[in-house]
Amino acid sequence: DADVTQTPRNRITKTGKRIMLECSQTKGHDRMYWYRQDPGLGLRLIYYSFDVKDINKGEISDGYSVSRQAQAKFSLSLESAIPNQTALYFCATSSAGRETQYFGPGTRLLVL
Amino acid sequence: GESVGLHLPTLSVQEGDNSIINCAYSNSASDYFIWYKQESGKGPQFIIDIRSNMDKRQGQRVTVLLNKTVKHLSLQIAATQPGDSAVYFCAENIGGQAGTALIFGKGTTLSVSS
Repeated sequence: DADVTQTPRNRITKTGKRIMLECSQTKGHDRMYWYRQDPGLGLRLIYYSFDVKDINKGEISDGYSVSRQAQAKFSLSLESAIPNQTALYFCATSSAGRETQYFGPGTRLLVL
Repeated sequence: GESVGLHLPTLSVQEGDNSIINCAYSNSASDYFIWYKQESGKGPQFIIDIRSNMDKRQGQRVTVLLNKTVKHLSLQIAATQPGDSAVYFCAENIGGQAGTALIFGKGTTLSVSS
């Protein structure tokens, strides 16, 4: 969905490196989410934010941090990447009071 | 624990056939359900949703059926086309603050042959 963009689309990094994944949206939604997708495990929620400066942990937040300094942007950081963080990462947005979430195209991350 | 699961990880159909993808959920408090389609290299795309006060909802070539008695959700695709080939996920909202409690199933891969 072009309304939700993610950068980079692909990233290779080494164990111990700090990396940041960016998400931007033009849908005007106030809620944003970061998910991780692994083969056979579906989508798992890492963090979510209801509004600027609002941050909430999801199911698998350990090893990750996020920043929401503008309504349209939500970034995910891996402070010290490890190989089991190799996965496909998705950003999603939704409007307050509406459950439907709209997803970005994903970032494929490989940690060596 | 509570989870959303799909009965079959893969489904193969011929072009023109009707497809039925199933999903079982375990949380009776779930009040909203969504089907997503994920094509290779793309993010999940919203297909259709249904609230727990309904048992059927139709879209363009797609129908979602909800059976709360047996906690079962299905997605029916009419006249399946090669472009329908993708992974399909169901998701449930288990209540609480809207938009925060979507639980996703593991997905069914639909393959459509010509």
